[in-house]
Amino acid sequence: GAGVSQSPSNKVTEKGKDVELRCDPISGHTALYWYRQSLGQGLEFLIYFQGNSAPDKSGLPSDRFSAERTGGSVSTLTIQRTQQEDSAVYLCASSLAPRFGDGYTFGSGTRLTVV
Amino acid sequence: GENVEQHPSTLSVQEGDSAVIKCTYSDSASNYFPWYKQELGKGPQLIIDIRSNVGEKKDQRIAVTLNKTAKHFSLHITETQPEDSAVYFCAARLQSGNQFYFGTGTSLTVIP
Repeated sequence: GAGVSQSPSNKVTEKGKDVELRCDPISGHTALYWYRQSLGQGLEFLIYFQGNSAPDKSGLPSDRFSAERTGGSVSTLTIQRTQQEDSAVYLCASSLAPRFGDGYTFGSGTRLTVV
Repeated sequence: GENVEQHPSTLSVQEGDSAVIKCTYSDSASNYFPWYKQELGKGPQLIIDIRSNVGEKKDQRIAVTLNKTAKHFSLHITETQPEDSAVYFCAARLQSGNQFYFGTGTSLTVIP
């Protein structure tokens, strides 16, 4: 596709349930990132995938959070046993060649509300 | 890691006036500094960027300046228009890093 696609755009879930958020990056982009944006806050780094390398998981806030990227393309962010503090907009971004300083292309995000 | 601070958090200007948003960073190893514009309900969009070997970059009504010695960089928007109203984020990336470190954003309102 022409841009980074994220689904669903909105998700309301009950506390304790698991959720999966999907990101479809721009075709050919080898780097993929997940960020979290809480209300009125900046963007918090979660995880980074680059090609076939092991992902950089240093930003994941707890072991309830995990992500995978299959076939070097689509990525899924999974949050287990959701808590109210997980409510935020989850943004996915991709880039062609991060080492050359390309800025990211962001998707529109998934707004997660845990009730 | 890197720490990026952004000021002001909110900014209101009259249409046609200039707007300036300032950011500081802590790690002198950062070498790439993009600026993003986020409109309501959308993801951030890259509007301009600057590398550490350049002091200033301009693209029509927007410009970015970088002072490596003082570790700060600024976004300048001239002749502001109502459609410039949005949240603007600065970011920095370490030369050897995988992620961008973002400021907390500036909500810009351009008053017609």
